[in-house]
Amino acid sequence: GAGVSQSPSNKVTEKGKDVELRCDPISGHTALYWYRQSLGQGLEFLIYFQGNSAPDKSGLPSDRFSAERTGGSVSTLTIQRTQQEDSAVYLCASSTGQFNQPQHFGDGTRLSIL
Amino acid sequence: DQQVKQNSPSLSVQEGRISILNCDYTNSMFDYFLWYKKYPAEGPTFLISISSIKDKNEDGRFTVFLNKSAKHLSLHIVPSQPGDSAVYFCAASARTDSWGKLQFGAGTQVVVTP
Repeated sequence: GAGVSQSPSNKVTEKGKDVELRCDPISGHTALYWYRQSLGQGLEFLIYFQGNSAPDKSGLPSDRFSAERTGGSVSTLTIQRTQQEDSAVYLCASSTGQFNQPQHFGDGTRLSIL
Repeated sequence: DQQVKQNSPSLSVQEGRISILNCDYTNSMFDYFLWYKKYPAEGPTFLISISSIKDKNEDGRFTVFLNKSAKHLSLHIVPSQPGDSAVYFCAASARTDSWGKLQFGAGTQVVVTP
């Protein structure tokens, strides 16, 4: 497709389970970003990829969070041993990687931890 | 530490009138600023951006103004239309900080009334 695609769109899981969220960026975009939006909050940066490497992981809230990107395209964000505070909308964005170029967002994955 | 602030959580405006959304920032290293619009259950959609070398950028009904000395930017929507009802996020990035990583404000809910 033409835009950023994320799956699943909704995920409900029990506390303590692992979850994997997927992002398929716009074709040709070398930069990929993960953000999350908790209820009533703004968007919070999690991690940035340039190609397959992640120069900035500073926003990952704990070591239960990890992400990878393969083939310079699809990225997965994994949350291990989920906690209730992980409930949020997880948003992926991609860009050309050039400065002064906007990021384009997917519709997000709404994650609910019971 | 909230580096981008949108102090008005909501704004109500009549159709046809001007909507003015405000955003303040604290980090003097920010040199690229963006506005995004978000509908419920969708990802943010890029609206308009401005580089720090400019003080105004216009695109159709949308104009962004940047006052670097005051660390303030604003978005003007003229004329406002019912379809403009959404949450608007201000975002900023610094060339020196992880190439395009965005810091977001908390958003302003705009309601355009007939």
